[in-house]
Amino acid sequence: AQSVTQLGSHVSVSEGALVLLRCNYSSSVPPYLFWYVQYPNQGLQLLLKYTSAATLVKGINGFEAEFKKSETSFHLTKPSAHMSDAAEYFCAVSESIQGAQKLVFGQGTRLTINP
Amino acid sequence: SAVISQKPSRDICQRGTSLTIQCQVDSQVTMMFWYRQQPGQSLTLIATANQGSEATYESGFVIDKFPISRPNLTFSTLTVSNMSPEDSSIYLCSVGNLMTGTHIQYFGAGTRLSVL
Repeated sequence: AQSVTQLGSHVSVSEGALVLLRCNYSSSVPPYLFWYVQYPNQGLQLLLKYTSAATLVKGINGFEAEFKKSETSFHLTKPSAHMSDAAEYFCAVSESIQGAQKLVFGQGTRLTINP
Repeated sequence: SAVISQKPSRDICQRGTSLTIQCQVDSQVTMMFWYRQQPGQSLTLIATANQGSEATYESGFVIDKFPISRPNLTFSTLTVSNMSPEDSSIYLCSVGNLMTGTHIQYFGAGTRLSVL
């Protein structure tokens, strides 16, 4: 079974600083990888996805992620943090089991932005 | 992307009672899923809702506790039965479409359940 590990349950950065949220996955086949964001009292919103096209993926709100097969990583970055980026971020991998597609989520990283 | 409506958005229930959560999508989708997010934790898949047949449950979840219906391609319900305080969680509906081949799932806003 596939799995996802997010390093750091809490990350705190200053406004304007670089945001780096780490995600490593395990998969025996080329994966589908996703980053979702959850703002307080809301559902999950898709930030970006990797589906075996370009290894550098650009998403919404200035976020991007790079797929590195050799490192089995899919880290999320943003050059300059904004106060509105404060939220919970989830990395997920999709696996197909008997024709059904399932998402397996990491434990999440809570991002705090300091003024 | 799909627009997903979940009802209710939140509820406070007494132990021993049941709550049915509805998930409505604005377009036909091939896949619908139900997740649980316990306080401060990540999402765990409860089951895949299958149109016209019994849901497929993940390990640790059973139909008697979480009966699911999916009468058509745009609607599903999840019932949390005989609730206890341990059932206090956020329950989320998601949808996907096999036709796109992208494995993307879109989520509703969730139902925040507190059991007293």
